[in-house]
Amino acid sequence: QKEVEQNSGPLSVPEGAIASLNCTYSDRVSQSFFWYRQYSGKSPELIMSIYSNGDKEDGRFTAQLNKASQYVSLLIRDSQPSDSATYLCAVNAGYGQNFVFGPGTRLSVLP
Amino acid sequence: EPEVTQTPSHQVTQMGQEVILRCVPISNHLYFYWYRQILGQKVEFLVSFYNNEISEKSEIFDDQFSVERPDGSNFTLKIRSTKLEDSAMYFCASNGDKGSNQPQHFGDGTRLSIL
Repeated sequence: QKEVEQNSGPLSVPEGAIASLNCTYSDRVSQSFFWYRQYSGKSPELIMSIYSNGDKEDGRFTAQLNKASQYVSLLIRDSQPSDSATYLCAVNAGYGQNFVFGPGTRLSVLP
Repeated sequence: EPEVTQTPSHQVTQMGQEVILRCVPISNHLYFYWYRQILGQKVEFLVSFYNNEISEKSEIFDDQFSVERPDGSNFTLKIRSTKLEDSAMYFCASNGDKGSNQPQHFGDGTRLSIL
């Protein structure tokens, strides 16, 4: 059974702070890793993808991947109240295979 | 920017009735997916579809479910005899103009309510 784990939260950070979201996955052959943001009642919206070990930056967002530890993280710098949402980690276990989603971490950015 | 579109946005159906949820994936994508999300729970994979056939399905996707690509644009999910526990948000997604490990793009979803 392929599992993706996340802390459910809520994670509360003050406006302007760095929010750190973590994800672990069970299937060692996983190849592709994604972070989605989901506002309440809405569909998942892609934030970032990462495929190789290390860091990948896009604006205020940085994804970090460590395949040896089976760990993916997302850092949000200068957090804004509009970043308040549930953040979903998704893992593609291999070419041609479906994505497995974690349960999501609810982030609350306090003004 | 191209989008995945889903209709209807909300479907209310009596238990035991058939329901068809419709999706138009992004036009140059090759892989299509259905997911569901029961209120307050995680997004769960139902089925993936490639080259006009099912490529993978989960335990949830039993004989009551079917998918079809009736023409070059639509991708449908049919539930033959709905149950109360089928009430959920159903999301269609697509990817794969460069491979199935590319990010999946989601539609806005159909909220299915079974009475």
